[in-house]
Amino acid sequence: GNSVTQMEGPVTLSEEAFLTINCTYTATGYPSLFWYVQYPGEGLQLLLKATKADDKGSNKGFEATYRKETTSFHLEKGSVQVSDSAVYFCAAHLDSNYQLIWGAGTKLIIKP
Amino acid sequence: DTAVSQTPKYLVTQMGNDKSIKCEQNLGHDTMYWYKQDSKKFLKIMFSYNNKELIINETVPNRFSPKSPDKAHLNLHINSLELGDSAVYFCASSQSSGAGETQYFGPGTRLLVL
Repeated sequence: GNSVTQMEGPVTLSEEAFLTINCTYTATGYPSLFWYVQYPGEGLQLLLKATKADDKGSNKGFEATYRKETTSFHLEKGSVQVSDSAVYFCAAHLDSNYQLIWGAGTKLIIKP
Repeated sequence: DTAVSQTPKYLVTQMGNDKSIKCEQNLGHDTMYWYKQDSKKFLKIMFSYNNKELIINETVPNRFSPKSPDKAHLNLHINSLELGDSAVYFCASSQSSGAGETQYFGPGTRLLVL
């Protein structure tokens, strides 16, 4: 079946460190791919997305590239800040399905 | 102006009670969703409506019943509340149900069943 797997957290980094959060998907077809972020006590909000292979989504210094050959959509940021501390969710959406397939979420903790 | 709003924000109640959570979106979207997020942050889709028609009805107890009086509103009624219903419930909306559409989430309703 369709699924999204992302790296387990929590991921703890120091401020200004490089961030990678891995995300891979299993799907029949080519889904649209998303990263959502949930700050403490809030709802989720879209961070970035890519709708076809080789597309790169970017926002707030975060980037992710849709890699069809490795079925991946890894999230990266060159220099994290304390304010980036949040839970990050990877998700996939197929045209043939009404619903997003969600990863389990990765908690990111940035220490000053 | 809040795009997706939910009421109440917090709900503390006793086992066996019946409660409702309301959701409204002012984005003009056609599709709305209810999600349940557990204490480990795992997100589970419960229901989705597109133009007031139910399109996703996941395996949830039939104590949970959604109602969409119009495109801008999607309410969730829960009968005979149980301890395991304690969670954060999120409403979301999107322009349509197609792939590639961004979902916009409300702030969540934190339900605690005692």
